[in-house]
Order: sequence, then C-alpha cells, then structure tokens
Amino acid sequence: DAGVIQSPRHEVTEMGQEVTLRCKPISGHDYLFWYRQTMMRGLELLIYFNNNVPIDDSGMPEDRFSAKMPNASFSTLKIQPSEPRDSAVYFCASKRSDSGYSNQPQHFGDGTRLSIL
Amino acid sequence: AQSVTQLGSHVSVSEGALVLLRCNYSSSVPPYLFWYVQYPNQGLQLLLKYTSAATLVKGINGFEAEFKKSETSFHLTKPSAHMSDAAEYFCAVSNQAGTALIFGKGTTLSVSS
Repeated sequence: DAGVIQSPRHEVTEMGQEVTLRCKPISGHDYLFWYRQTMMRGLELLIYFNNNVPIDDSGMPEDRFSAKMPNASFSTLKIQPSEPRDSAVYFCASKRSDSGYSNQPQHFGDGTRLSIL
Repeated sequence: AQSVTQLGSHVSVSEGALVLLRCNYSSSVPPYLFWYVQYPNQGLQLLLKYTSAATLVKGINGFEAEFKKSETSFHLTKPSAHMSDAAEYFCAVSNQAGTALIFGKGTTLSVSS
C-alpha cells in the first residue's frame, strides 16, 4: 500500500515568496494532520481535518498560514508571504477513524524540508 | 489536559546493552499511548501503541513498552541495542477527544560499538 505522499521533499525559496506544500493521504483515511518540526519547538500540530473539514486550526502560527483539503485525496498547506522563521520540516499524517476501543495510529509522510532565505 | 514528558533528551548506550526510554503522561481520560521512531530525513514510524487491551505491549524491532497506571508511565525498552536503533523516539498521548496526538519533545538514542 502506498503511504502518505508529500511533495516537494525539499523547497528553498526567498523571503516573501508564496510556498505551497502538498499531501496525499492514505486511501480510506478520513483524518489528515499537518505538523511542523523544528529543533527549538519540536513537533507541533498545526491543523487537522476530518472528512475534508478543518477541525482544529489552533496550532496555525499566524494568518500567513492556510490549509485546505478540497477532496479526500489531497491537501495543501500554504505560506504567504514566507519568512525565514518558517524554515522547518513540515509533515503530513493521516489516519482512519477509530473503531470500537481501538485508537488508530497516524501514518506520516517523509516530510518537506523548507528553507526560506 | 493531556500532556507527555520524555525524561532525557539524549540517551547513549553501547551495542548489546539495555535500552530504556522514559515517558510519563498526564490524561484526564483513559489514555491511548504511542511510541514512534524517526530516522534521519524520514517521517515518524509507529513502534507500538497501548489501547488498554494489555499493559505490556510488544512492537516492531524488538521494542516493548509497559503501561503503569499508578506511575502514569509508558517507558520503552529493548533488551539489546543494535546500531540500527540509533534514531529519535517520540512518545505521544491522544487528546481528550481521541482525534489527535500530543507528542513529547523526543529522545535521541545513540548506540556505540
């Protein structure tokens, strides 16, 4: 089975440019999560969706960040305008809904390493 | 509120030695607990999960963890470390709704020959 697919794997761009990160979740998974990982802050949850609807975006750092999930197989995280402090590794993860007493695990993509110069 | 504390940001062991990575949690509901591993330049991979079926949970690569409610702990162990175990390890607890995970800050495991 294909895992969570993220693109691009690496992105280097200049401050002020728009950045778009993409994610394809595992087929059949109805939850999708966006995380940011830095040395200083560790792994932070930015936003998550259930059935394409944003459920909690309280981790989105500021209005420059936006995320969409137009359908069950695609999500984007956009930064506009980008700043050097946005440099980090961004991960997408997906999971299926829980059933019974089993809490389903999240499956992670390999991440996008973003550098803003 | 749910939270996770991983004691020790860095643990070093010799090849063949016992691995012990500590995790304590706080949860207002019966917790779901997870351990993930991250190798360099990769995403997080599930090692094991606790979902109340058994207090001793076996995972991949010879790792296991024991849920101790009285100590609010979920420590990760492996009897004999391999060089390939060198990675960063994350403990996580589900949020109250069970829909998202709250991660600890991670523990980097180094293995020397």
